[in-house]
Amino acid sequence: GNSVTQMEGPVTLSEEAFLTINCTYTATGYPSLFWYVQYPGEGLQLLLKATKADDKGSNKGFEATYRKETTSFHLEKGSVQVSDSAVYFCALTINTGGFKTIFGAGTRLFVKA
Amino acid sequence: SQTIHQWPATLVQPVGSPLSLECTVEGTSNPNLYWYRQAAGRGLQLLFYSVGIGQISSEVPQNLSASRPQDRQFILSSKKLLLSDSGFYLCAWSVTHNTEAFFGQGTRLTVV
Repeated sequence: GNSVTQMEGPVTLSEEAFLTINCTYTATGYPSLFWYVQYPGEGLQLLLKATKADDKGSNKGFEATYRKETTSFHLEKGSVQVSDSAVYFCALTINTGGFKTIFGAGTRLFVKA
Repeated sequence: SQTIHQWPATLVQPVGSPLSLECTVEGTSNPNLYWYRQAAGRGLQLLFYSVGIGQISSEVPQNLSASRPQDRQFILSSKKLLLSDSGFYLCAWSVTHNTEAFFGQGTRLTVV
């Protein structure tokens, strides 16, 4: 089946530390991959996306590369800020007779000043 | 531009009461529509998705149902709420698999 697995949180970092949140997927066919961010009390917002193998999505200093060989889409940022504290969701969208988006469980990130 | 409206923002309902959450999308035609639930401290669970009017796919067996009476309207319902139905419900839409899903602001449902 189709699924997304991401590292469990919470992740606690100091400001300016390097961030990696791992995400792997299983999918039939060729999914598009996404990272979404959810700030407290809000809905989800797209952070970045990649639609085919070896594509790199980037936004606000975050990056993730679509790795087909390892079925991964790890999120990275070189220097996190307190304002990056949020829940991060890895997701894939696949055509199963209709396009369906499947999310990972989410990883909560706390950044301390 | 496209917008998505979801209401109400918060809801407190007694066990056994009915539920109706509504979601409407503006500025696009024939969107894919989704209902997700986010339980406290947990990830997103896809409940229903719809690729067209009257076409509903259910992902998880439960006492919830969904309907799409119009192209840009998606309704989540229950005849009798359970305590376990408490959570944060999110409506979303997308156009194709290459584009992202756009989310409403969510409805926080507390069943008491």
